[in-house]
Amino acid sequence: EIVLTQSPGTLSLSPGERATLSCRASQSVSSSSLAWYQQKPGQAPRLLIYGASSRATGIPDRFSGSGSGTDFTLTIGRLEPEDFAVYYCQQYGSSPPRYTFGQGTKLEIK
Amino acid sequence: EVQLVESGGGLVQPGGSLRLSCTASGFTFSSFSMNWVRQAPGKGLEWVSYITSGSSTINYADSVKGRFTISRDNAKKSLYLQMNSLRDEDTAVYYCARRTGAPPYFDYWGQGTLVTVSS
Repeated sequence: EIVLTQSPGTLSLSPGERATLSCRASQSVSSSSLAWYQQKPGQAPRLLIYGASSRATGIPDRFSGSGSGTDFTLTIGRLEPEDFAVYYCQQYGSSPPRYTFGQGTKLEIK
Repeated sequence: EVQLVESGGGLVQPGGSLRLSCTASGFTFSSFSMNWVRQAPGKGLEWVSYITSGSSTINYADSVKGRFTISRDNAKKSLYLQMNSLRDEDTAVYYCARRTGAPPYFDYWGQGTLVTVSS
């Protein structure tokens, strides 16, 4: 069973700064199976990135994803006030079919 | 506009049952696989179950296998989750989510419905 570990647990930054969030898999995974979601308090998660690096519809280009193998990164180029939220990575495994989420990184205003 | 609206949550005693519903609009429901994902209070996301468009393939997380049953009615554009033998640890917000892509991911989510298991 693949485990996704996100770091840091909490990231404190100011608007305008650059954010780098990490997601590490316990074993190598296909980059096409890695997605990122944003969740604000009281709201459902929102898809940001799929296939490790493809932005979902309507997602600003300050959000970018990268990585391969066991190490994946979500980068927010220049933080806007609305970007402060919790971010989750998620991986799809096919044998057996299941979805695994990381524990989340909380991005908070410094 | 794609919309997913969950209902059926509430307070139930341990060992009890509950049936959640998710009504879809704004897309061809019968063409998409659907999922349930839950989130315990203050915790992260946990995938629960998925069902393919024609109900031919169904899978469950180990934590709910044998207790929960996913189903759908394409004519009613609805997804269901029958939850039996509920435990305290099943307390969570339950989201329905549309699955797309290959490998798949969740592109649209409902607003969630809260299930509280407590005596």
